[in-house]
Amino acid sequence: DAKTTQPNSMESNEEEPVHLPCNHSTISGTDYIHWYRQLPSQGPEYVIHGLTSNVNNRMASLAIAEDRKSSTLILHRATLRDAAVYYCILRQSGGSNYKLTFGKGTLLTVNP
Amino acid sequence: SAVISQKPSRDICQRGTSLTIQCQVDSQVTMMFWYRQQPGQSLTLIATANQGSEATYESGFVIDKFPISRPNLTFSTLTVSNLSPEDSSIYLCSVGGSSNQPQHFGDGTRLSIL
Repeated sequence: DAKTTQPNSMESNEEEPVHLPCNHSTISGTDYIHWYRQLPSQGPEYVIHGLTSNVNNRMASLAIAEDRKSSTLILHRATLRDAAVYYCILRQSGGSNYKLTFGKGTLLTVNP
Repeated sequence: SAVISQKPSRDICQRGTSLTIQCQVDSQVTMMFWYRQQPGQSLTLIATANQGSEATYESGFVIDKFPISRPNLTFSTLTVSNLSPEDSSIYLCSVGGSSNQPQHFGDGTRLSIL
């Protein structure tokens, strides 16, 4: 799987937007960009994924650069419950290899 | 989305013993995965378990240490054998879809070795 680069940590204030960046300069044309988060004492939780176009769901938005070499996870109004480690992961399309390869992720701290 | 239950949620074991972790899914799934998360670290895939075939282990993990069973499409077990302090970790199972589908995780089994 192609590698991703994320900041080790970020900080935000409650009710403010948060933009979590991810660089993936070696992404291939068929790699999906997935985001997961891991709250304390829980397993990872799926957040969002996309291929080329920006995506929105009830949890977050995913903005994908036009060259696909970077993406940004957007939490529109951070809450204390959003404090977690956020992982940006590339998943290769096709074939039979469905595993996830986790990097170190970004630790998001949300201040009240 | 699939609901995954892991048992036990935590355990404390003696050196040299073994622990078997169960993973139950509320729907039939083709692929199940077992991960390890060492203290303060990210997740590392141990093996992929498909029903009706031998598990596929990642580099650094062997069947003798981490035997896996997958008797049907809703259940799997991971055994951690001959426990040592280095095995103190969180062990998580997940069920996966294709690259265009999310994976869903259990909350893990927290294992401590005395």
